[in-house]
Amino acid sequence: GAVVSQHPSWVICKSGTSVKIECRSLDFQATTMFWYRQFPKQSLMLMATSNEGSKATYEQGVEKDKFLINHASLTLSTLTVTSAHPEDSSFYICSATRYQGAHRRYTFGSGTRLTVV
Amino acid sequence: AQSVSQHNHHVILSEAASLELGCNYSYGGTVNLFWYVQYPGQHLQLLLKYFSGDPLVKGIKGFEAEFIKSKFSFNLRKPSVQWSDTAEYFCAVNKAAGNKLTFGGGTRVLVKP
Repeated sequence: GAVVSQHPSWVICKSGTSVKIECRSLDFQATTMFWYRQFPKQSLMLMATSNEGSKATYEQGVEKDKFLINHASLTLSTLTVTSAHPEDSSFYICSATRYQGAHRRYTFGSGTRLTVV
Repeated sequence: AQSVSQHNHHVILSEAASLELGCNYSYGGTVNLFWYVQYPGQHLQLLLKYFSGDPLVKGIKGFEAEFIKSKFSFNLRKPSVQWSDTAEYFCAVNKAAGNKLTFGGGTRVLVKP
């Protein structure tokens, strides 16, 4: 079945530094990937849609310059949290989508827990 | 904009009890509907999905869901839960012509042994 690998699983960084999170589709090509943020005891909030070869589409309220997304290939999207601050601490999840027949399938990565100290 | 609401934030029940989790969405057009489960420390896994056809959908691990279009609902059910069903459950919806999934707030289910 389809597998999405997300790295790292967890990261602790100092305030003011940048952190890069990778999302790879291992056995399929994903023209579209999604980045979500999940606060404790809350649902997944879509941050942005990552399109291969073009600029990401950000949801309202998400800072483009803060959360840089690069989708340079059909199997890799990266999210860079720039100049991280404690309020950026959260659980970040990526999802890759592909068509099976006429319908989209969504496969999720295992998430990255970011703690900014 | 579409929204998804899950009525129960927390559910506690004993093994062998029946489970029903509510999900309602707000979008009036054609939608695809999903239920995902997130076990402690693990990633989201698809339980079941509805695209079209029979509104009663059967998924993995004995779960099923019923799409009632007139009620904009897609409730999840399991006749007899096990301790291993302890997890967080998310309902999600996307427009049939779109690609963005919108998630409900999630329901934490605790099954007592």
